[in-house]
Amino acid sequence: DQQVKQNSPSLSVQEGRISILNCDYTNSMFDYFLWYKKYPAEGPTFLISISSIKDKNEDGRFTVFLNKSAKHLSLHIVPSQPGDSAVYFCAASESEDYKLSFGAGTTVTVRA
Amino acid sequence: GAGVSQSPSNKVTEKGKDVELRCDPISGHTALYWYRQSLGQGLEFLIYFQGNSAPDKSGLPSDRFSAERTGGSVSTLTIQRTQQEDSAVYLCASSLGWGSQPQHFGDGTRLSIL
Repeated sequence: DQQVKQNSPSLSVQEGRISILNCDYTNSMFDYFLWYKKYPAEGPTFLISISSIKDKNEDGRFTVFLNKSAKHLSLHIVPSQPGDSAVYFCAASESEDYKLSFGAGTTVTVRA
Repeated sequence: GAGVSQSPSNKVTEKGKDVELRCDPISGHTALYWYRQSLGQGLEFLIYFQGNSAPDKSGLPSDRFSAERTGGSVSTLTIQRTQQEDSAVYLCASSLGWGSQPQHFGDGTRLSIL
């Protein structure tokens, strides 16, 4: 039973435009959310996170939005760059817990 | 290096053989995690260590899987009598402590069972 879902397996965007990645979750106990970026043959790299006490967190070109009532979060990348082409994973955990539940990932391709 | 180190990076073995995968966490990180990523899937949690203890082994897929950690540092994940469905990328992560985020990942071991 997958508790974190990324319903779009792929996304193609023009360089300079906005990339929007979506993630839904079913476990209402989740209160910490993370986005990881993964290149082929490498491990996931932490990108940005958000606690459930916030609804937005921004770090440079990356912004994560959290809508707790809808159990939905999104990652915005503005502007998109060719180096952003990768697989992006959404992950969630419960506070005082230890394991992350991951979505299946969204492959982003940034076109020049 | 300063990151999580995993070895081997690739392992090909015959069905029925035992394999050992190694993880060296970031220095000072007391929490260590093992995940598995099968083809086209997200990461699946396997087991977690705080120090040398593994409080929860419920993520291990079967009793053919075991893991240990010694000296609060290096961990090994052992798969006995490998099956083809064990083929996956096995990822290790570490974090500062129990419940601490984010977890930092190694590059994984790609395991292929023939």
